[in-house]
Amino acid sequence: DQQVKQNSPSLSVQEGRISILNCDYTNSMFDYFLWYKKYPAEGPTFLISISSIKDKNEDGRFTVFLNKSAKHLSLHIVPSQPGDSAVYFCAASARRIQGAQKLVFGQGTRLTINP
Amino acid sequence: AAGVIQSPRHLIKEKRETATLKCYPIPRHDTVYWYQQGPGQDPQFLISFYEKMQSDKGSIPDRFSAQQFSDYHSELNMSSLELGDSALYFCASSLRTGSPQETQYFGPGTRLLVL
Repeated sequence: DQQVKQNSPSLSVQEGRISILNCDYTNSMFDYFLWYKKYPAEGPTFLISISSIKDKNEDGRFTVFLNKSAKHLSLHIVPSQPGDSAVYFCAASARRIQGAQKLVFGQGTRLTINP
Repeated sequence: AAGVIQSPRHLIKEKRETATLKCYPIPRHDTVYWYQQGPGQDPQFLISFYEKMQSDKGSIPDRFSAQQFSDYHSELNMSSLELGDSALYFCASSLRTGSPQETQYFGPGTRLLVL
C-alpha cells in the first residue's frame, strides 16, 4: 500500500527552465511534507518542507505547493541548473501524540537537467 | 555544520553472519530513525528512538535489533543475515520540538552486501 506516490520515475528538463515534480498521497492524517534530494551513494538531503496549514512555501529557487483537497503536492525548481540533477523523494509524516514521526517516502523521481 | 555520521560506509558479510551498523546523530538531536532502502526502492522505516527509548517500529525483521545509548548514538544489530538484507541503511536524526514540523536529517548511509 503505497501511501505516497510519485508517478513519474524520471523527468528531463532544459537548463534554465522550470522543473515540476509531483507527489500524491492517500493518508489524510499526514500533516507535514518534505522533499529530499539524493545523489548516488549519498544520503537524502533535506530541501524544503511544508506544513498542512500552509499551501505554499518558498526557499530560493525551490517552491513547494500543497493542495490538501486533492492530496497533492509539487516541487517547483526555477531556474533549473545542472547541479539539480538527482533523485527527488517526496516524504510525509503524521503527527503522533507519543513517539517519533516516521517518514513515508514516495518512489522517487530522477530529474535530469540538460545543458 | 555537523551532520549525521554513519559507520561503516560499506560492509560485506556472508549469509548467517552478524552485522552492526552505527549512527551518530547531529549534536543535540534526541531522536534517531533507521531506514532501509533496497535496490530501486524508496526508503522504508525500520525503527526509531527518542531519548534512548524505542519510539516506533516499522517493518523491521525479528532478526534485527537496535538501541540508543546515553550519548544518543544508535546501533542497528542484524543477525542471521540473508541475501535480501543487502541494501542501503540510512540513519536520520531530529530534535523533538513537539510540533508536526520535525525535520529529519539523514546520514550518508551504510551499504550492506550479503553474499
